[in-house]
Amino acid sequence: DQQVKQNSPSLSVQEGRISILNCDYTNSMFDYFLWYKKYPAEGPTFLISISSIKDKNEDGRFTVFLNKSAKHLSLHIVPSQPGDSAVYFCAASGIGNEKLTFGTGTRLTIIP
Amino acid sequence: NAGVTQTPKFRVLKTGQSMTLLCAQDMNHEYMYWYRQDPGMGLRLIHYSVGEGTTAKGEVPDGYNVSRLKKQNFLLGLESAAPSQTSVYFCASSPSTETQYFGPGTRLLVL
Repeated sequence: DQQVKQNSPSLSVQEGRISILNCDYTNSMFDYFLWYKKYPAEGPTFLISISSIKDKNEDGRFTVFLNKSAKHLSLHIVPSQPGDSAVYFCAASGIGNEKLTFGTGTRLTIIP
Repeated sequence: NAGVTQTPKFRVLKTGQSMTLLCAQDMNHEYMYWYRQDPGMGLRLIHYSVGEGTTAKGEVPDGYNVSRLKKQNFLLGLESAAPSQTSVYFCASSPSTETQYFGPGTRLLVL
């Protein structure tokens, strides 16, 4: 049972436009959410996170939105740049839980 | 400060052979993790450790063993490799129950 779902395996966006990556979860005990970025032949790198007590967290060009009632989070990248082309994973954990549950990833391609 | 390092980067094994993957972190993190990544499957947790001398099973532990004899090292062992264990293996560490920091990965091919 996939508790964290990224239903879009791939997304293409023109340079300078907004990229929106989506993630849905089913476990209501999840209270902390993260986005990771992964380039080929490298390990995932932490990008941004959000706690369930917030509905938005912003860091430069990256903003994560959390809709707890819909069990949905999204990552907005504005403006999109060629270096943003990568696979993005969302992940979630519960209170005091040392484990993360990952989605299957979305491959983002920024078109110059 | 090297962060999380993994050894080796790439390995080819024959079915039935054994090997150990080494993960080392220099950030004094308590928590360490081993994941595998397969196409279309995301990252799946194999085993993890919440401190020196402790280990616990993750989502896909069968066929693997781990040890955490020193805080900075987390070893993943394959006693008898199978083709189904062909994958990319990532180690991660964390200072708490939240953000994890990943190594560069080990690509394993089992023939």
